[in-house]
Amino acid sequence: GAGVSQSPSNKVTEKGKDVELRCDPISGHTALYWYRQSLGQGLEFLIYFQGNSAPDKSGLPSDRFSAERTGGSVSTLTIQRTQQEDSAVYLCASSLPRQEPYGYTFGSGTRLTVV
Amino acid sequence: AQSVAQPEDQVNVAEGNPLTVKCTYSVSGNPYLFWYVQYPNRGLQFLLKYITGDNLVKGSYGFEAEFNKSQTSFHLKKPSALVSDSALYFCAVRVISGSARQLTFGSGTQLTVLP
Repeated sequence: GAGVSQSPSNKVTEKGKDVELRCDPISGHTALYWYRQSLGQGLEFLIYFQGNSAPDKSGLPSDRFSAERTGGSVSTLTIQRTQQEDSAVYLCASSLPRQEPYGYTFGSGTRLTVV
Repeated sequence: AQSVAQPEDQVNVAEGNPLTVKCTYSVSGNPYLFWYVQYPNRGLQFLLKYITGDNLVKGSYGFEAEFNKSQTSFHLKKPSALVSDSALYFCAVRVISGSARQLTFGSGTQLTVLP
């Protein structure tokens, strides 16, 4: 597609429920990143996928968070047993490897609210 | 570990006046430095980067930034602010030699240009 697409744009969920957030990167972009943007905070790195390599999961805040990238394209970020502190905007970015680190294209994000 | 500080949560400036958004960084090696801008309900957009070479870098929309190694700063500047520049600005850093591919972002500075 023309840009990085994220869905849903907004999600309200009850505490304790699981949620899935989707990212559809730009076609051909092999690098994909998830970040979390909390109110008054900077962007917090969560996870990085590069092609078929093992993902860098070093930023995932707890084992309730996981992410997959199927077929080297679409990625899903899953949060299990959501907590109120998970409320944030979740941003996805993609890039071509040779453009790293300055070729990130960000999606518009998913605003998650846990009530 | 790498970190970025944006000491001002909010910057207000009158239209037509010069603007500065401050950023300092801390890394253990040579840095890649970036500025991104986020408009309401939009993803982050790349403004400019410093990789190597001339310390003064020019980017989109008339913005520029100066890399100062001795002060570990990378302040964003524009000679004459526009109301349309009002947005949230993020500074980011990555170490050149590091294996990590992710950017570390500051907490953001809300720029408001007053008509």
